Amino acid sequence: EVQLVESGGGLIQPGGSLRLSCAASGFTVSSNYMTWVRQAPGKGLEWVSLIYRTGSTYYADSVKGRFTISRDNSKNTLYLQMNSLRAEDTAIYYCARDASSDSNWYFDLWGRGTLVTVSS
Amino acid sequence: QSVLTQPPSVSGAPGQRVTISCTGSSSNIGAGYDVHWYQQLPGTPPKLLIYGNNNRPSGVPDRFSGSKSGTSASLAITGLQAEDEADYYCQSYDSSLSGVVFGGGTKLTVL
Repeated sequence: EVQLVESGGGLIQPGGSLRLSCAASGFTVSSNYMTWVRQAPGKGLEWVSLIYRTGSTYYADSVKGRFTISRDNSKNTLYLQMNSLRAEDTAIYYCARDASSDSNWYFDLWGRGTLVTVSS
Repeated sequence: QSVLTQPPSVSGAPGQRVTISCTGSSSNIGAGYDVHWYQQLPGTPPKLLIYGNNNRPSGVPDRFSGSKSGTSASLAITGLQAEDEADYYCQSYDSSLSGVVFGGGTKLTVL
């Protein structure tokens, strides 16, 4: 079955770090562009980061310098390392697969998400 | 404040037609980048509804259609059904931000 399963969310204090994982099955992460999108409670979707097949990475200004997207090809898993966390980073974090393979990025497969709560 | 602007809510009776607008600028929709639409039912992840302005993924009913003109795009839903009640998001690429941008989302209520 083709699917994405996120894990690693939880309650973390402001200033802390967390690493999210997104395990893929039924397709190869390294053969696709992959992305993270978040959704604060009761709010809309916000793009976070994207990684190309080549390994090039892109970030939203709100997380640049604090978050790092990466992948482990041997584990077919996508990651999001989140440092210097702030209250405004509280959200459900979804990983998704890009279906375009060019700059007209769009996402055809989504995980169910993992909740990150930043609070003291 | 989202880069792409959508109405917060729309509503319609079963069987009716509704449209949801998505207004951008010269650095995203107006620059020629495609617009894509997602449907999000409560408590579930977004689902791709329309890609490349007016294309439906396999399994999406032809009641859903998309269009784009200038710096705006629209999602139309005909023959409205109760199960269409959801949040809808438009999405594009922005060259000034070098990244993905979403609309703020529109809540569709089926009366």
